[in-house]
This record gives sequence, structure tokens and C-alpha cells, in this order.
Amino acid sequence: SQQGEEDPQALSIQEGENATMNCSYKTSINNLQWYRQNSGRGLVHLILIRSNEREKHSGRLRVTLDTSKKSSSLLITASRAADTASYFCATGINSGGSNYKLTFGKGTLLTVNP
Amino acid sequence: DAEITQSPRHKITETGRQVTLACHQTWNHNNMFWYRQDLGHGLRLIHYSYGVQDTNKGEVSDGYSVSRSNTEDLPLTLESAASSQTSVYFCASGHLGSPLHFGNGTRLTVT
Repeated sequence: SQQGEEDPQALSIQEGENATMNCSYKTSINNLQWYRQNSGRGLVHLILIRSNEREKHSGRLRVTLDTSKKSSSLLITASRAADTASYFCATGINSGGSNYKLTFGKGTLLTVNP
Repeated sequence: DAEITQSPRHKITETGRQVTLACHQTWNHNNMFWYRQDLGHGLRLIHYSYGVQDTNKGEVSDGYSVSRSNTEDLPLTLESAASSQTSVYFCASGHLGSPLHFGNGTRLTVT
């Protein structure tokens, strides 16, 4: 079963508006990552936040992490039509030594209308 | 530049045939992963490897196998293809605690 679950499943906004996507997970994690996927392509990493961090920024992206609630949010500010894509959260868990696994949610489909 | 490549990009096969999907990375990553992506399910982990000669089952491993004879390659084999294995397959690699690098996927259709 999925470790992370995104909400909403789909989001449609106008260009210039902000987009917020949420992710909830079930077990303790070492880090949480957000990825973007354009139609027909592989996933591209956006931002990684470690379990001891609460907020990270990268350009127009802002990610928060609340480990007590086991949840994260991704905020895209001043959205553009080119931001139209699916966005996935993934929870990273170290299982000892150099062993490491990422588990993905089902994703949020973001549509930014011009 | 380092990269991760999958081949073929598209494959059509018949039920019961053995199929192998290739994944090759030049990042020198020890950790490699195979996921399948289906509508309504997101990405699900099939198999993964933490190094040469190491392989592990993911959450949807039935009907699939992998082998790791070197650092660069993790081929995924469908022993006897079934229609339920029609999907898009992604290979990924990465270091401990770091982002994964993904290939562009293989779209497999089993008829």
C-alpha cells in the first residue's frame, strides 16, 4: 500500500494563482521528497526535506513538513501554464547501512489555465 | 553528463512470452529501483537492488525478476507476460538519502 497519499487528486487553477498540494504518510521517515512528472516523461526531483526540517524553499516552491501530523505540503506560487503536470510526494526510509527506499503516493494532477 | 536510460521506449508482446526491459545508469549509484505506474495506483515498487548481486522484492514483485551483475545495469524480466502487466515501467537510481534519478520509462502492452 502507498506510504504517501496526496490531496487533492486533481487541481485546476488560473495562471498567477498559488497551488497547494498536501501529502500524508503513515510511518516514520528519514526524508520526504516532491517530484514532478510531465505527460509521457519520467519523474523529476523538485525538493527534498529531511525529517528534522520544517520548511524549505526553492524558487517558487515552498515545502513544509509536520512530522507530528505525518504530513507535508507543496506550495507553488505565481503558477504558470508550464507548471501543468502531476506532482508526487515520496517518503524516504533508511532500512540500515546504505539501504534506502522511496515510496510514492498516487499524485496530484495540476492544471494551470492560461 | 551522467544519465539513466531505459530501453525499449515502447514494447508490445503477447501473453506468455518472456520480456526483458533494460535499465542502464552512468551515475555510479549503488541503489537501483524498478517501479510500475498505473492510473489510480501511482508508482508501485517492483524490485530494487542495493548493489551488485543484491536484489529485493517490492510490493508488486509477483511475475517479475531482476538481476544485478554490475553497478550500471538492472534488467527487469517478466517471466511469462500477462495482460495485468500492461503498464508504464520506470527505472530509477540514487544514493542513500538523496533524490532519485528516473529514466523516461518503457510503455509495455501485453496482448
